[in-house]
Amino acid sequence: SQQGEEDPQALSIQEGENATMNCSYKTSINNLQWYRQNSGRGLVHLILIRSNEREKHSGRLRVTLDTSKKSSSLLITASRAADTASYFCATDAIQGAQKLVFGQGTRLTINP
Amino acid sequence: EPEVTQTPSHQVTQMGQEVILRCVPISNHLYFYWYRQILGQKVEFLVSFYNNEISEKSEIFDDQFSVERPDGSNFTLKIRSTKLEDSAMYFCASSRDGPRHQPQHFGDGTRLSIL
Repeated sequence: SQQGEEDPQALSIQEGENATMNCSYKTSINNLQWYRQNSGRGLVHLILIRSNEREKHSGRLRVTLDTSKKSSSLLITASRAADTASYFCATDAIQGAQKLVFGQGTRLTINP
Repeated sequence: EPEVTQTPSHQVTQMGQEVILRCVPISNHLYFYWYRQILGQKVEFLVSFYNNEISEKSEIFDDQFSVERPDGSNFTLKIRSTKLEDSAMYFCASSRDGPRHQPQHFGDGTRLSIL
């Protein structure tokens, strides 16, 4: 299985603090993506990092990728209450697959 | 910004009945997907569709499931004889190119409840 597995499963922090979520996977990948899911809603794409990239930024988001360790991290800086959601990493296999494989997700709660 | 739209938002059906879940992908996208998420669990891939045929399917996608793009804009998922364990959120997604190049854009899902 090439499952992405996030940790922690749940994270609760104060507004303004930084939140870091980690993801590990098992097989070689083309890219790794992070998605956010608000309760009862669909998945919103946040950022895609390719296998030959090590770090990527988008606004308050910073993603790193370490292909030697098969791991990625998502950092949200200066968190806001609106960042409260579940965050998933998703990977695609390097050979042929036309699908994303999602991890279990991290439930992030930002306390005002 | 273009969106993937799904209807209905909630479908309640008796076990053994057929259901059709509908999706309108983003208009210039070429790849289409269905995923499901059982309550509290991770998102699971069901099927991908490209060039009017299934390009990949998971073991979940058995003979009870089928997909169709009947008119060039809609993309449907049919479950022929529903089971209790089919209760889940079903998400449609589309991408302009395959997943190794482009992000997938998801709809808000259809909550399917089997009674």
